[in-house]
Amino acid sequence: KNEVEQSPQNLTAQEGEFITINCSYSVGISALHWLQQHPGGGIVSLFMLSSGKKKHGRLIATINIQEKHSSLHITASHPRDSAVYICAVENYGGSQGNLIFGKGTKLSVKP
Amino acid sequence: KAGVTQTPRYLIKTRGQQVTLSCSPISGHRSVSWYQQTPGQGLQFLFEYFSETQRNKGNFPGRFSGRQFSNSRSEMNVSTLELGDSALYLCASSLDGAMADTQYFGPGTRLTVL
Repeated sequence: KNEVEQSPQNLTAQEGEFITINCSYSVGISALHWLQQHPGGGIVSLFMLSSGKKKHGRLIATINIQEKHSSLHITASHPRDSAVYICAVENYGGSQGNLIFGKGTKLSVKP
Repeated sequence: KAGVTQTPRYLIKTRGQQVTLSCSPISGHRSVSWYQQTPGQGLQFLFEYFSETQRNKGNFPGRFSGRQFSNSRSEMNVSTLELGDSALYLCASSLDGAMADTQYFGPGTRLTVL
């Protein structure tokens, strides 16, 4: 079993829909990251969370440390949001910089 | 401010050869991390350098090595290439460390081993 599980693996939405991507992990963590990867490989770091909730524009990320679960929400989705979204955790007590990645959620937003 | 740059962007090698990839971080960033991305395994952490010292290392064989120079530029080297080393290699820089700050990723080097 992977230490970081994301769901769904693939997601197709219509423009304007509210989208939720989930991430569950089985290790103790000190931080969780959400990354966005566009076709061609470029990766952008969206959020780093250790507790609570963060918002940036139409993106919202939440984390529940007790339940070992995080969600990434996209409001009013747009075709330019189409990308792979990757959850990564820093293993608590592990070496700083040792990220464990989920397999990613491929999002396609149709106009 | 210029972003993270990686060279070369594409590379084709044959089994048994060695390869060196280069990463120039954002000016002022002292930490550089390297990652391997393959369709089967996804993203995996290789190692992190901070102020010319390897601070962390992932679970990769000794054929994978790296170094960082005084200007924070970093190189990674893979010796005795295997077919399974075909991957997208990404580097990311941050001010202080991979977890302490937001990481900024480069465009990657796509390595194909024939």
